[in-house]
Amino acid sequence: SAVISQKPSRDICQRGTSLTIQCQVDSQVTMMFWYRQQPGQSLTLIATANQGSEATYESGFVIDKFPISRPNLTFSTLTVSNMSPEDSSIYLCSVEWGAGGYTFGSGTRLTVV
Amino acid sequence: AQTVTQSQPEMSVQEAETVTLSCTYDTSENNYYLFWYKQPPSRQMILVIRQEAYKQQNATENRFSVNFQKAAKSFSLKISDSQLGDTAMYFCAFPYTGTASKLTFGTGTRLQVTL
Repeated sequence: SAVISQKPSRDICQRGTSLTIQCQVDSQVTMMFWYRQQPGQSLTLIATANQGSEATYESGFVIDKFPISRPNLTFSTLTVSNMSPEDSSIYLCSVEWGAGGYTFGSGTRLTVV
Repeated sequence: AQTVTQSQPEMSVQEAETVTLSCTYDTSENNYYLFWYKQPPSRQMILVIRQEAYKQQNATENRFSVNFQKAAKSFSLKISDSQLGDTAMYFCAFPYTGTASKLTFGTGTRLQVTL
């Protein structure tokens, strides 16, 4: 299975600013997924990131608000832009490493004040 | 659209007892995986158990087992000999397009194990 290092683990940010979350995988993977988990809620997919192409966003999420980079097969970033208190959530990255196996990063707890 | 439903928002079980968490799903696929994930307060998503739909035998992992009813599209998780460390949110999950894709999650069941 793959191992993911996600940073930062938590942050408190001022409204109007941006935060970039990083995920580093210990093996090459084709697709990386970014999820948002609002307080007390389940996980909602933000986008799927493929290396060498633009990310595919789910309904309700736009690139201007959540730009994603995928420069190689082991790394991806998600930026939460122009933050408001409604963006306070846990953000998680995930990879599918084959044979129906999925691994998650440890999550980033974001609080916007 | 593929959906995953967990009808029990919260459950409580005494230590050493057995508890069953329910999950139903909807799909037109024939071959797919189903997952149960555990999320303790540390927020780490931990895979509890995985079931392959084409396997009739129910998956088991130590104290964790599933009751997979493909025709009924039901996928319940049984935790035997519950331990305090089992206290967590439990999510049922299903890939969007069957076998290898992004996951859709149920709303979760908060399990509290008590003394």
